Amino acid sequence: AQSVSQHNHHVILSEAASLELGCNYSYGGTVNLFWYVQYPGQHLQLLLKYFSGDPLVKGIKGFEAEFIKSKFSFNLRKPSVQWSDTAEYFCAVNPVYNTDKLIFGTGTRLQVFP
Amino acid sequence: DVKVTQSSRYLVKRTGEKVFLECVQDMDHENMFWYRQDPGLGLRLIYFSYDVKMKEKGDIPEGYSVSREKKERFSLILESASTNQTSMYLCASSEGTGGVIEQYFGPGTRLTVT
Repeated sequence: AQSVSQHNHHVILSEAASLELGCNYSYGGTVNLFWYVQYPGQHLQLLLKYFSGDPLVKGIKGFEAEFIKSKFSFNLRKPSVQWSDTAEYFCAVNPVYNTDKLIFGTGTRLQVFP
Repeated sequence: DVKVTQSSRYLVKRTGEKVFLECVQDMDHENMFWYRQDPGLGLRLIYFSYDVKMKEKGDIPEGYSVSREKKERFSLILESASTNQTSMYLCASSEGTGGVIEQYFGPGTRLTVT
């Protein structure tokens, strides 16, 4: 069965530190890739997505992610985090054959301290 | 903006009760989904629907059923609530096959079964 792995379960950073959250998936075919974010007390919202083209995609709030097909990875990055980035981050994969279903990772909780 | 609303933010029910969770979307989306979110497990798909009166089982359908009588409304039913169904329940919608597959989420219902 397809799966999505987020190896960092809990990340603690100081403001201005750089961030990289890992995401790996186990599916050999064509995929669409997403990162969602859930701020405390808020609903899940889309951070960025990759369908095709340039493997480096930029999202909201200065986030970016790079799709590396050979590594089945879609890591999320931000050069300098802020306290307001404190949230839970979820990677999700849509195997293209499987219409609109998303397979989510287990999430990474990010805490940023001032 | 897409809006997905859920009938309750917090719900407390007793073991054995029948529980209804309601979800409404206002963007004429074809697909609707029910997930449960648990710490360390991420989002797991319970059921989804790609059309009125159509439903498909997700990864963890046991103990749940769904109803979609109108396009905009998707209900999750716990026939006989149990304590292991204490969780956060998220509803989502997306445009449909061949369309944009980004899913839009509601605010969630935190259900406690005592």
